[in-house]
Amino acid sequence: TQLLEQSPQFLSIQEGENLTVYCNSSSVFSSLQWYRQEPGEGPVLLVTVVTGGEVKKLKRLTFQFGDARKDSSLHITAAQPGDTGLYLCAGALGEGDDKIIFGKGTRLHILP
Amino acid sequence: EAQVTQNPRYLITVTGKKLTVTCSQNMNHEYMSWYRQDPGLGLRQIYYSMNVEVTDKGDVPEGYKVSRKEKRNFPLILESPSPNQTSLYFCASSPSPVSSYYEQYFGPGTRLTVT
Repeated sequence: TQLLEQSPQFLSIQEGENLTVYCNSSSVFSSLQWYRQEPGEGPVLLVTVVTGGEVKKLKRLTFQFGDARKDSSLHITAAQPGDTGLYLCAGALGEGDDKIIFGKGTRLHILP
Repeated sequence: EAQVTQNPRYLITVTGKKLTVTCSQNMNHEYMSWYRQDPGLGLRQIYYSMNVEVTDKGDVPEGYKVSRKEKRNFPLILESPSPNQTSLYFCASSPSPVSSYYEQYFGPGTRLTVT
């Protein structure tokens, strides 16, 4: 069974601090996505990375795909209370396997 | 408005009583999928469908059935629900998972309780 290990599971930090969330696997993914989920709603896509070593920025969020396409990170600079939520990574294996594997999520709480 | 709809949003039922959760998308997406979300376990894929009449098992298919007779609809069927199927269920669709760039659009979720 392919796994995506996401860490940390929980993170509570003060407004203005920086943080990084990690997503690791022994499997190679054709693409990897990061989602954010609010309570009572479905996940919403933040970004997709497809090339090893790729870096994408979305305002204060920086996403990186590992060179070997087995891991990814999400870095938030100067966190704000509005960043509070559940962050999920999800990988598509590709190569004829159409399953999508989700990490267990990181619940982030930014204290004002 | 592009969207994925699920019905019902909330359902309380008893063990063994067959139920269907409907899912519909209006984006002409080929790929549709069902997930369940449980505390501490995250989102786990139940079944997915690459196109009409093409379905395949995800990681946790036991106790569930699906069908894809039309492109827009992908119902989830629980023939004999059990309490361990109490969960939050999400339907999602995307143009394709095997293309180099895709986005999954999620429905609002169905909270199912089986007593």
